[in-house]
Amino acid sequence: DTEVTQTPKHLVMGMTNKKSLKCEQHMGHRAMYWYKQKAKKPPELMFVYSYEKLSINESVPSRFSPECPNSSLLNLHLHALQPEDSALYLCASSRYRGMNTEAFFGQGTRLTVV
Amino acid sequence: AQTVTQSQPEMSVQEAETVTLSCTYDTSESDYYLFWYKQPPSRQMILVIRQEAYKQQNATENRFSVNFQKAAKSFSLKISDSQLGDAAMYFCAPLMGPGYALNFGKGTSLLVTP
Repeated sequence: DTEVTQTPKHLVMGMTNKKSLKCEQHMGHRAMYWYKQKAKKPPELMFVYSYEKLSINESVPSRFSPECPNSSLLNLHLHALQPEDSALYLCASSRYRGMNTEAFFGQGTRLTVV
Repeated sequence: AQTVTQSQPEMSVQEAETVTLSCTYDTSESDYYLFWYKQPPSRQMILVIRQEAYKQQNATENRFSVNFQKAAKSFSLKISDSQLGDAAMYFCAPLMGPGYALNFGKGTSLLVTP
């Protein structure tokens, strides 16, 4: 199983809503990542978790709140988002946080904030 | 900070022909990895090929090969015998310390014509 599963695939939410994105992998990977990708742009790193601990937060606004409840699961909690937060949110995992390791990506959640 | 430059926003190639996508990067690290990922219209990010900086031999994966010039900090991707399914956005992505997270270039959109 080399899959990273993201749910939901599509999400439309209002600016006052609270929602969560979910990412799951069963490859035994201990590093997990959230990226944000706007149309026709490269993915931008948001957060990195290593062994369930937050390692990197790329100065992401607090309306995005990551959570890693166990080694297989990564959540991104969303609250009071802005229309400019509409994007594709990609989750990735790798065996560990280091160089000699391949990142596997999920298919993404396409988020629209209205 | 690392910079990654993909100077070709768009490229076009005919089926069965060969195309080369360029990538340059800037780093003061001596040990790192370099990746090429492709992202088709489905938005799934797929690993194409990877190169270890300490290896002089260029990586090859079937029709895909790289020309890695460490001194010049250049990492180009050659696609031989191009197929319609190769049409995608191609991202060059170094992986190096201290963050050990992929840093994507702006991408090259590859069009394959019959």
